[in-house]
Formats: sequence, structure tokens, C-alpha cells
Amino acid sequence: ETGVTQTPRHLVMGMTNKKSLKCEQHLGHNAMYWYKQSAKKPLELMFVYNFKEQTENNSVPSRFSPECPNSSHLFLHLHTLQPEDSALYLCASSQAGTYTEAFFGQGTRLTVV
Amino acid sequence: AQSVTQPDIHITVSEGASLELRCNYSYGATPYLFWYVQSPGQGLQLLLKYFSGDTLVQGIKGFEAEFKRSQSSFNLRKPSVHWSDAAEYFCAVGDYNQGGKLIFGQGTELSVKP
Repeated sequence: ETGVTQTPRHLVMGMTNKKSLKCEQHLGHNAMYWYKQSAKKPLELMFVYNFKEQTENNSVPSRFSPECPNSSHLFLHLHTLQPEDSALYLCASSQAGTYTEAFFGQGTRLTVV
Repeated sequence: AQSVTQPDIHITVSEGASLELRCNYSYGATPYLFWYVQSPGQGLQLLLKYFSGDTLVQGIKGFEAEFKRSQSSFNLRKPSVHWSDAAEYFCAVGDYNQGGKLIFGQGTELSVKP
């Protein structure tokens, strides 16, 4: 596999469920990101990880809990979500340093019912 | 405040016609600018990026963009559009020290008429 892979591609969950989104990058990068893409809104940066350490949390509700066990894997743990959390969740990775760019996965389409 | 504005939500062009997608940014430091494309059900693919140097940047798929500091703009152009270019296009500005930390515009959806 190459690039950035996200699983599952689609997820439907109830408001009381707990689920996790997985992201894996095969690019040798050391920075990873979660973005949220809602209808009618710009992509929003949620979390930033550099060398497995969280360096940014953009006021994301605690019902979203990220985990980065190593530089290649990133998870987003979900619990007690709300219907307005339904969105496309995109993972990205980049090399730390100057003038690099992000590579995005195909996203997980989440529907909260 | 840092922001990106794409004034056109939806544009329709005929196949073979030229294309220009507008992007304006507001950024306190020297901007690091990107254009990404997203096809339905897909992630984002980088078309091109600009930080410094020649203000006309060439990208993949025949796209180019021109940086105009005086107008705070970074418009995307293509001389002749193909049906396969139909997609959503996103302009973004970021930190040159952390290329994945981006502020995106709302996107422009491009439709191509045969």
C-alpha cells in the first residue's frame, strides 16, 4: 500500500456507540493531522501530531479523542457523538520541516443517527 | 485573522474553454499557498504550491496559478478544460514550517459541459 489509507470508508453509528477511525501513512512522514469536512463549511483542522506528540487541538469537543501510537498510525476515537458530527473525516500526513505539503487519505464518511 | 476566500461556490465551463478559479487570502506572515482538488468520494490531491520565487507556478494536470501579493490573490488557471476536471477545488494557506497545518477556503465546485 502506498500513500495515506483510512478505514473504514463509511461508518454509521448511534449516538451512544463508541467507534474508532484509523489512518495509516506509508510515506515515512512524521506529522499527522485530522480534518473535518462538513457540508457547506470549509475543511477544519482538528488535531496535529508531530513525532507522535499532539501539538495542536483546535477546541475539539472531548467526545473526539485522538491517539497516535507511532508516526505511521493515527486514530480518532469517537463516543457519544451528536448528529451534527456527521461529516467526512480526513487524515493527512506531512514531513516535518520547511516547504513540505500534506498528503490526504480518502476519508471516512461518518453518519451519526 | 487568517482566512481564505473563494468567491465562487460553483462554476460551469464548456469543455475546451479556459478556466480561472479565484482565491484571496489574509495571512499575517509570508503565505505558503496551495491548490488541492477533490473528486467525489475522494480525498484531496495537491495540484500545486507556492512559497517564493517565480509568481507563476506550474502544477499537475495542466494547471497553473499566479501569486499576486498586491491583491492577496492566488488564482488557479487552466487554458483548456477537460471533462475529467469536474471536481471541487480548494485553495489553502499554511505555515511553511508545518505543511499540513492549513486554512482552507470553502471550495469551488467545477462542472464541465460537453
